[in-house]
Amino acid sequence: SQTIHQWPATLVQPVGSPLSLECTVEGTSNPNLYWYRQAAGRGLQLLFYSVGIGQISSEVPQNLSASRPQDRQFILSSKKLLLSDSGFYLCAWRLEVNYGYTFGSGTRLTVV
Amino acid sequence: AQKITQTQPGMFVQEKEAVTLDCTYDTSDQSYGLFWYKQPSSGEMIFLIYQGSYDEQNATEGRYSLNFQKARKSANLVISASQLGDSAMYFCAMREGPKGSSNTGKLIFGQGTTLQVKP
Repeated sequence: SQTIHQWPATLVQPVGSPLSLECTVEGTSNPNLYWYRQAAGRGLQLLFYSVGIGQISSEVPQNLSASRPQDRQFILSSKKLLLSDSGFYLCAWRLEVNYGYTFGSGTRLTVV
Repeated sequence: AQKITQTQPGMFVQEKEAVTLDCTYDTSDQSYGLFWYKQPSSGEMIFLIYQGSYDEQNATEGRYSLNFQKARKSANLVISASQLGDSAMYFCAMREGPKGSSNTGKLIFGQGTTLQVKP
């Protein structure tokens, strides 16, 4: 069966520090992958999506970046975090032939 | 541009009663998909129900049903026989373009409705 793993679950980082969040999918191949961010009490905002290895599309210009070094690995990074980067980050995957989207358990990031 | 609107920031419902959560959408696509997700306080996103734009029947999944009115561009979620465990935030979302195609499949979310079930 397919599973999605996202870590860490919580993270507290100082302003100006780097960030690396990792998401991996198991049990499938060539999924579409997505990074979302959710501010407290708000909806999900799509940050990046990827339809294949090395293919990254950005939805919102900011100081975050994403990479997909392997088929089932999606990484969200920042060189220098801002206070406004705080939020709940969710990774999701989907197969093109399937309507279902599956989300990871999320990372709660607090920038202090 | 595609947009999802949920006009109810918060809702209360008595246990065992039915509740309707509103969702309207805006798209110029002829083919699209509509989703409802539940997000409890733990933060996980739980898929509830899906409606394709060409589906003629309203989708149902257990106690969840989707009241799809295409002409009005609305996709309201109906929860029957509410339970205390239904207390959570609920999101309506729309997928751009048809399923199974080579499109990106971006999922766009509304702002959510917080539902509280009273005992």
